[in-house]
Amino acid sequence: DPKIIQKPKYLVAVTGSEKILICEQYLGHNAMYWYRQSAKKPLEFMFSYSYQKLMDNQTASSRFQPQSSKKNHLDLQITALKPDDSATYFCASSQERGGNTGQLYFGEGSKLTVL
Amino acid sequence: TQTVSQSDAHVTVFEGDSVELRCNYSYGGSIYLSWYIQHHGRGLQFLLKYYSGNPVVQGVNGFKAEFSKSDSSFHLRKASVHWSDSAVYFCAVSAWNYNVLYFGSGTKLTVEP
Repeated sequence: DPKIIQKPKYLVAVTGSEKILICEQYLGHNAMYWYRQSAKKPLEFMFSYSYQKLMDNQTASSRFQPQSSKKNHLDLQITALKPDDSATYFCASSQERGGNTGQLYFGEGSKLTVL
Repeated sequence: TQTVSQSDAHVTVFEGDSVELRCNYSYGGSIYLSWYIQHHGRGLQFLLKYYSGNPVVQGVNGFKAEFSKSDSSFHLRKASVHWSDSAVYFCAVSAWNYNVLYFGSGTKLTVEP
């Protein structure tokens, strides 16, 4: 059974619209992350959360807003969508944000296409 | 600033061959290095990591990697590849005691029968 569930797996949106990507992890982890993978760029770190608090933000645009309603949830809201936002968005988690693990667990990704 | 370089975008070998996937890093402090595998259309899966001690680390499915401080490298090796090893392999670096990973551009490994 998948331990990190991302929904939807695929989505198509029109330019200017808004979408929310859902992520739930059932590993009991305290840290969650969002990464983006596109044809133009390799895996790109976006955000990290620890105990439901934003810890790192390396996304320049405020159009990307993570939301953590529960400890094991980290959704990603994207507003005013642009074609350049087309990518696969991966949610990941680790036991803690700090600590000597160096290991992340990834979901299967949500592939977003913006027309 | 940490950077990871994977010089080979594509590597093709035959089943049973050995393979080395190259990774070089640049970082000013103590670090973790790790390798992940991504099969087509799937998420990334952890293979192995290094942070101290024996520079040769063993991972799953016969993969191992060797850390070299002098070369700033962390190359991944497998002695005998199987067709199921065909995937994209990512090298990643993170600061010591910090689990935010920064990934290289990936190497697509194709194993031909």
